[in-house]
Amino acid sequence: GAGVSQTPSNKVTEKGKYVELRCDPISGHTALYWYRQSLGQGPEFLIYFQGTGAADDSGLPNDRFFAVRPEGSVSTLKIQRTERGDSAVYLCASSLRGGGSSYNEQFFGPGTRLTVL
Amino acid sequence: DQQVKQNSPSLSVQEGRISILNCDYTNSMFDYFLWYKKYPAEGPTFLISISSIKDKNEDGRFTVFLNKSAKHLSLHIVPSQPGDSAVYFCAASVAGGGNKLTFGTGTQLKVEL
Repeated sequence: GAGVSQTPSNKVTEKGKYVELRCDPISGHTALYWYRQSLGQGPEFLIYFQGTGAADDSGLPNDRFFAVRPEGSVSTLKIQRTERGDSAVYLCASSLRGGGSSYNEQFFGPGTRLTVL
Repeated sequence: DQQVKQNSPSLSVQEGRISILNCDYTNSMFDYFLWYKKYPAEGPTFLISISSIKDKNEDGRFTVFLNKSAKHLSLHIVPSQPGDSAVYFCAASVAGGGNKLTFGTGTQLKVEL
């Protein structure tokens, strides 16, 4: 089946604008994760959904960042009043389940490269 | 505070030789460790993992070693092939933590002919 897809692949915006990044997880995967990878760094956790609810949003840097997953499938990461420091690759991953005592493999999408001018 | 560290940003190895990539961690709550491989313009892909109850896991040309007392793990690739050239990320997870991953900064491996 299809893997995790993310749209757009590239997004260029101006400082202060609002952006939405979309993630389509693997069908049937209940857990969905957002990570952010800045230049020269590894991916950093932002938020994790189990079903429709955000189970852990401890990685969101501030209240300009928000994510939703209203039907437990597609997720949208929303960034308000973008700043140049928000420029990064935003990665989405999904897994069959989240949490629990055993690890469930996360499958990553190709990412959305966000550039804030 | 970098909880997972990869101190070598790059590594160059000849084809056929062994590649050894290293990773250190500071959080003793981590109990599952993974290596991901990443090509440009693609997302990371899972390579191999190890639970904290083991000290070695092998899958074909790839072996991961875990030294809990030293909080150190390593990935061995033998023999190295040109197609192995990529960025390798070490990652760690805490049981009950929702499987969220903490990544290192990555090591760029180049396998030369």
